[in-house]
Amino acid sequence: EPEVTQTPSHQVTQMGQEVILRCVPISNHLYFYWYRQILGQKVEFLVSFYNNEISEKSEIFDDQFSVERPDGSNFTLKIRSTKLEDSAMYFCASSEGRIGANVLTFGAGSRLTVL
Amino acid sequence: AQSVAQPEDQVNVAEGNPLTVKCTYSVSGNPYLFWYVQYPNRGLQFLLKYITGDNLVKGSYGFEAEFNKSQTSFHLKKPSALVSDSALYFCAVRVTDSWGKFQFGAGTQVVVTP
Repeated sequence: EPEVTQTPSHQVTQMGQEVILRCVPISNHLYFYWYRQILGQKVEFLVSFYNNEISEKSEIFDDQFSVERPDGSNFTLKIRSTKLEDSAMYFCASSEGRIGANVLTFGAGSRLTVL
Repeated sequence: AQSVAQPEDQVNVAEGNPLTVKCTYSVSGNPYLFWYVQYPNRGLQFLLKYITGDNLVKGSYGFEAEFNKSQTSFHLKKPSALVSDSALYFCAVRVTDSWGKFQFGAGTQVVVTP
C-alpha cells in the first residue's frame, strides 16, 4: 500500500536554529499538507499546498514557516528560527484530490524537540 | 465555525464486547466527517468517512459509524472489540469552504483488555 514517508523521525534542535522536515507524498497525489500535534493537544492544520503554491494556511503558519516542493517528489516544511513552542509532532499528508471524495493519507510524523 | 467534540478521553472495553467512540460536530452546511486511528509511533490511518448517502458507513478493520443529523453525531462503533484495536481515535470534519483543512477532535484513547 502506498505510504507517505517522513524524515527525520525525531529531531532535537536548539532554540533559534533552522529546521527542515522532509516528506515524500504518494506519487500520484497532487495536494499536500502539514499538520502538527503538540503533546497532549489536538492535531492542528498548518498549511495546504497545490500546484506549487500555498492554498491555505492557518494562523500558526507565520513568517517563520515555509513550505517547498523542491523537486518532483519531496515536500518540505522549514522553520526558520525555532522556538520552544514549536516542539511538536509534525505530520505530512497528501491526497489525490480535494478532501471529500478523497481522503488524506498521513505520514508517521516527525517529532521536533526544541531545547 | 466548525468544531468537533470527543467527550471521552478514554474508553475501556473488554475484548469481545461492543466498542463505541463518541463524536459530535458543529458545522455550517453539509458535513464531511472522518475517523482516523493512530497507533503508537505511526501516522494517522484513515478508517472511514461520511460524505453523503447512507447514514451507516462501513470502514476498515470492522469499524462502522452512524451519521445522525438531528443529533449532530458521528459515533464510531465496532460490534466486537479486539485487543489490537487499542489505539488513539480521532474524529475530524472538513472545514466548510476549505478543501484541505480538517478540524480534528481531541482524540479518544481506546483500551481493550483481554
